[in-house]
Amino acid sequence: KAGVTQTPRYLIKTRGQQVTLSCSPISGHRSVSWYQQTPGQGLQFLFEYFSETQRNKGNFPGRFSGRQFSNSRSEMNVSTLELGDSALYLCASSFGQGTEKLFFGSGTQLSVL
Amino acid sequence: QQQVKQSPQSLIVQKGGISIINCAYENTAFDYFPWYQQFPGKGPALLIAIRPDVSEKKEGRFTISFNKSAKQFSLHIMDSQPGDSATYFCAASSGAGGTSYGKLTFGQGTILTVHP
Repeated sequence: KAGVTQTPRYLIKTRGQQVTLSCSPISGHRSVSWYQQTPGQGLQFLFEYFSETQRNKGNFPGRFSGRQFSNSRSEMNVSTLELGDSALYLCASSFGQGTEKLFFGSGTQLSVL
Repeated sequence: QQQVKQSPQSLIVQKGGISIINCAYENTAFDYFPWYQQFPGKGPALLIAIRPDVSEKKEGRFTISFNKSAKQFSLHIMDSQPGDSATYFCAASSGAGGTSYGKLTFGQGTILTVHP
């Protein structure tokens, strides 16, 4: 079974631009969560989707948004990029509501110049 | 109240030794405590997890000890190997009160180095 797939693997953007990251969960998994990982702040929860509905949202500004499609694939978008948005963005999938085990992808490394 | 505090930040052990990483939490609603292992360039991988109704869980060389009254839990790696060198994260989540297990609160991580 293929793992969680995130694309692109690396991304370089400039301040003020917007970016869209993609995540394909493990086949059969219906829940997708997104995390931001930085050396200073560690791993921080962004949001979680289940059946195309946002279930939880972390403490990030409205520039960070996401969505989930009917096939469980998810995208996250960051508008008006800031230097501080440079991070590894990780997607994790799980089977569904009430399922504890999260399986992470390798992430998208975003650099904002 | 959502914090999970992890120590030490870094740890160096000799091959064959025992690695111990500790975590403490504040939110008593947490009811799932996983440990993740992360290698450079990879995402975190689930190593072992525990629920608060047991005090210890062992899987191979990895053991979680859980102290509910102290709100602390720890990871023990027995017979540590150079291949165990990685960053380890403790985490906690809750399925109660409108939250979900998809929302993990992570500790700051421990960089483990095992010397041959």
